[in-house]
Amino acid sequence: DIQMTQSPSSVSASVGDRVTITCRASQDISNWLAWYQQKPGKAPKPLIYAASRLQSGVPSKFSGSGSGTEFTLTISSLQPEDFATYYCQQTHSFPRTFGQGTRVEIK
Amino acid sequence: EVQLVESGGGLIQPGGSLRLSCAASGFLVSGDYMSWVRQAPGKGLEWVSVIYSGGTTFYAESVEGRFTLSRDTSKNILYLEMNRLRVEDTAVYYCATSCGGGCYDIYDFWGQGTMVTVSS
Repeated sequence: DIQMTQSPSSVSASVGDRVTITCRASQDISNWLAWYQQKPGKAPKPLIYAASRLQSGVPSKFSGSGSGTEFTLTISSLQPEDFATYYCQQTHSFPRTFGQGTRVEIK
Repeated sequence: EVQLVESGGGLIQPGGSLRLSCAASGFLVSGDYMSWVRQAPGKGLEWVSVIYSGGTTFYAESVEGRFTLSRDTSKNILYLEMNRLRVEDTAVYYCATSCGGGCYDIYDFWGQGTMVTVSS
């Protein structure tokens, strides 16, 4: 199975800050990577697919990059509605696997 | 408008069985990839299973041989039959859809989730 490791596990940030989350795959997954945002009690919301393509309707403050085994999600200017938990997921092979999540908290 | 509505969760004793349903509207369950993802209380997301438009299924090792994914195309419903349930199967179960490889299999629509609690 492909292991997905996110860092950091949590980050405290202020409104307006730029936040970057890293996701590492245990083997080469090319660009078969997605990012999701989840708020408490809600289903995950898709943000990015193919490592860097913005899902329809997602604001451009979210961006993704990377290929192979190392990927990043960047939120350019954090807003109150962005405080949530973010997950990466590899869609290269089965079983699909998620990172453990990164909680973005208000400083 | 695409909508997914899960149902069938509840409290069940270890070793018991439960069938979850995911009613779809706005698209055909036979036309897309349909998946189940679960989340144990306070934990992260765990992929459970998928059914391709052609009917091929894949399962996580933790549920292989105990869970079965199927669909009723006449009712446009996806089912997850769960047998020999364990305490560690306790989670919110989400169904989700994707357009498959053409969209790099991102899960673009999700249901609201249904809670399954396995406890004696």
